[in-house]
Amino acid sequence: DAGVIQSPRHEVTEMGQEVTLRCKPISGHDYLFWYRQTMMRGLELLIYFNNNVPIDDSGMPEDRFSAKMPNASFSTLKIQPSEPRDSAVYFCASTLQGSETQYFGPGTRLLVL
Amino acid sequence: GENVEQHPSTLSVQEGDSAVIKCTYSDSASNYFPWYKQELGKRPQLIIDIRSNVGEKKDQRIAVTLNKTAKHFSLHITETQPEDSAVYFCAASKTGTASKLTFGTGTRLQVTL
Repeated sequence: DAGVIQSPRHEVTEMGQEVTLRCKPISGHDYLFWYRQTMMRGLELLIYFNNNVPIDDSGMPEDRFSAKMPNASFSTLKIQPSEPRDSAVYFCASTLQGSETQYFGPGTRLLVL
Repeated sequence: GENVEQHPSTLSVQEGDSAVIKCTYSDSASNYFPWYKQELGKRPQLIIDIRSNVGEKKDQRIAVTLNKTAKHFSLHITETQPEDSAVYFCAASKTGTASKLTFGTGTRLQVTL
């Protein structure tokens, strides 16, 4: 099993640019979560999906953030336009209904200059 | 919503000593409490979890205790080793409600020689 896959692993961009982060969950998992980790705020849940449907996006900071899950094996988190305060590590995680254990991807380290 | 508080934020112990990290939660309906370990630059990984139908669970040098009445749970690491040095996160959720985890703010454990 390849585990949760995220790309890119590192992203450096300039303020105002669009950033797209990608995630492939573990095959067969029906829940997918996007988290943001910073020193100041710790691990924050941004949004999660069940069977490709967004269930709770209350953690999404503002309209600049959007997430999609067009199919069971792919999700994107987009920031447009990006700002320096968006700099963080973004993790994707997946799990299976009834399992509870969330498996995290390696994360994308985003730096917005 | 759920609120999870974690203490201490940093903990330094000598190799071979025990380490204890404590968390409290606010939602009495929470019934699943995992602990994640995150090494520097790596992803969070589940190390142990406990459900509300038991008061204690052990896995080799790691144990977790749960006091539902007081709404707190703790991680105990005995005979600490340098490889235990990491950030530890507690979390809480309600099983059967889409596995949405609320994380504590993390404890940085340093095991010194």
